[in-house]
Amino acid sequence: GENVEQHPSTLSVQEGDSAVIKCTYSDSASNYFPWYKQELGKGPQLIIDIRSNVGEKKDQRIAVTLNKTAKHFSLHITETQPEDSAVYFCAASGRYNFNKFYFGSGTKLNVKP
Amino acid sequence: GAVVSQHPSWVICKSGTSVKIECRSLDFQATTMFWYRQFPKQSLMLMATSNEGSKATYEQGVEKDKFLINHASLTLSTLTVTSAHPEDSSFYICSARGGISGTDTQYFGPGTRLTVL
Repeated sequence: GENVEQHPSTLSVQEGDSAVIKCTYSDSASNYFPWYKQELGKGPQLIIDIRSNVGEKKDQRIAVTLNKTAKHFSLHITETQPEDSAVYFCAASGRYNFNKFYFGSGTKLNVKP
Repeated sequence: GAVVSQHPSWVICKSGTSVKIECRSLDFQATTMFWYRQFPKQSLMLMATSNEGSKATYEQGVEKDKFLINHASLTLSTLTVTSAHPEDSSFYICSARGGISGTDTQYFGPGTRLTVL
């Protein structure tokens, strides 16, 4: 089955700096890669996603890049703000098994004001 | 759009009792719903996948007789924790996926905190 690894587990940045979170996956059949933000005590919220036929996608301060050959994808947050502090999860999904998501272990991002 | 609700948001029950958690897709029809369990500071662990009108598919190691899942309509799925014990205390989160595309995303509910005394 699919295996998704996520790094780093914790990340501290100064407000205004950029943050990068990286994930690798093992199954080359995976073709959809969402990123979720989870605040304490709440459910995950989709922040951006990318499909395998696209190499990069951007939405304001958030961008995701995908390297299919190397089987890794990354989340980039620019001009970080204290409200970006949360746990971020990457996931990979294939065409089978009801499109199950395989989640990374999560990255706790702390943006210091 | 793509709002998923859960009820209750938290529940405390005595050991041996059963607890039902509802998951609703409010503004779309969910062909597939997923139930996850999350322990503190850990990732989401998929428990089961359910399709409307079909039996749920449980992940390895998840007791289907203990965690009963019903997906009776395109907007409602329920998870019943039967004969709950303290080790069942956890954060339970559902997600819903709609559409016919094979790569539609999952939209998550706000979660339900279950505490078994």
